[in-house]
Amino acid sequence: GAVVSQHPSWVICKSGTSVKIECRSLDFQATTMFWYRQFPKQSLMLMATSNEGSKATYEQGVEKDKFLINHASLTLSTLTVTSAHPEDSSFYICSALLPGQGEKLFFGSGTQLSVL
Amino acid sequence: AQSVTQLDSHVSVSEGTPVLLRCNYSSSYSPSLFWYVQHPNKGLQLLLKYTSAATLVKGINGFEAEFKKSETSFHLTKPSAHMSDAAEYFCVVTPHSGNTPLVFGKGTRLSVIA
Repeated sequence: GAVVSQHPSWVICKSGTSVKIECRSLDFQATTMFWYRQFPKQSLMLMATSNEGSKATYEQGVEKDKFLINHASLTLSTLTVTSAHPEDSSFYICSALLPGQGEKLFFGSGTQLSVL
Repeated sequence: AQSVTQLDSHVSVSEGTPVLLRCNYSSSYSPSLFWYVQHPNKGLQLLLKYTSAATLVKGINGFEAEFKKSETSFHLTKPSAHMSDAAEYFCVVTPHSGNTPLVFGKGTRLSVIA
């Protein structure tokens, strides 16, 4: 089956630094990827839709200058949390759409970000 | 360790008939459980969630799910299917405490026949 690899799984960083999270579709090309975040005990919140070769579409209330999304190839989307602060600490997860009849969504394993 | 099993990869029902999408889980902790829906080319949308309050949870669009600890199940139901319910449905588990990552089921595609 299709596999989505997300890296890193865990990251701890100092306040003010930037962190890049990668999401790769390993055996299929994904023109569309989604980025979510989850606060403890809460449901997933869609942050943005990433389309290969074009600008990401951000959900209302998500700062596009804070959460930079780049989808430069059909197998890689990156989320960069710029100038991270403790309130950015969260679980981030990506998903990729397997194109074709009845597109199916596959998930990365997620990244736990802790900002000190 | 946690795991989620969605027992059916594809379910097909006639419009107006009941929907049952099955989900079983295993968790070392008291879990939170979620059902999400994904319409074509869209991100996930939360249908409902269980977080140790009432075991019968009502969600949007007429869906509900019942948490049964003895059966380790959290099946999603709806009394009467609409054409607009055709989508992919995901069952998700996370521990009730801490920041342990989510675990997703593989999804169930619901088809609704006119």
